Amino acid sequence: KQEVTQIPAALSVPEGENLVLNCSFTDSAIYNLQWFRQDPGKGLTSLLLIQSSQREQTSGRLNASLDKSSGRSTLYIAASQPGDSATYLCAVRPNGYSTLTFGKGTMLLVSP
Amino acid sequence: DTEVTQTPKHLVMGMTNKKSLKCEQHMGHRAMYWYKQKAKKPPELMFVYSYEKLSINESVPSRFSPECPNSSLLNLHLHALQPEDSALYLCASSRQGVSYEQYFGPGTRLTVT
Repeated sequence: KQEVTQIPAALSVPEGENLVLNCSFTDSAIYNLQWFRQDPGKGLTSLLLIQSSQREQTSGRLNASLDKSSGRSTLYIAASQPGDSATYLCAVRPNGYSTLTFGKGTMLLVSP
Repeated sequence: DTEVTQTPKHLVMGMTNKKSLKCEQHMGHRAMYWYKQKAKKPPELMFVYSYEKLSINESVPSRFSPECPNSSLLNLHLHALQPEDSALYLCASSRQGVSYEQYFGPGTRLTVT
């Protein structure tokens, strides 16, 4: 059974710092991996989708990498801003399935 | 347009009530999903519809009844719920196929009294 782990569970940084969120998964047989952002009490916003054949994806200040063989992904946020404060969820899509397996998330607080 | 809409935003219901949650998308997606999310937990998959047919039911109690009347709409009918069913209910959609990105709605906050 696929398990997804996110470290750290919570992170607090001052504005302007670069930071890395980690995601690991136990079964490397995945189709792709998706990073989401969730504000309190709100829905999920898709940030980046990395296909299993890709090594990284970039969107603005966000960069996500994928090392499928080692079962790891990282989300790099450059020059963090208070508006980045949210919970970040990593989810993997196993081969042959349309469903997602989520990690428990990293709660990020960026202080001014 | 990459928007999934959900109504209502908030719902309070008693254990004997019958209510429905609604989800709509106009992206031409043929896969739609219901998730349940408790506080500080990740979303848990409940149901998946593919081409308007139920393809996955994650052993959800029968007091939750999904319906997909057409390719743009997804409903979740609620009846005789328990207080522990209080949660954020999220709808998502994607293109049909295993590799496609899921887009989520804002959710319905359900409180069962």
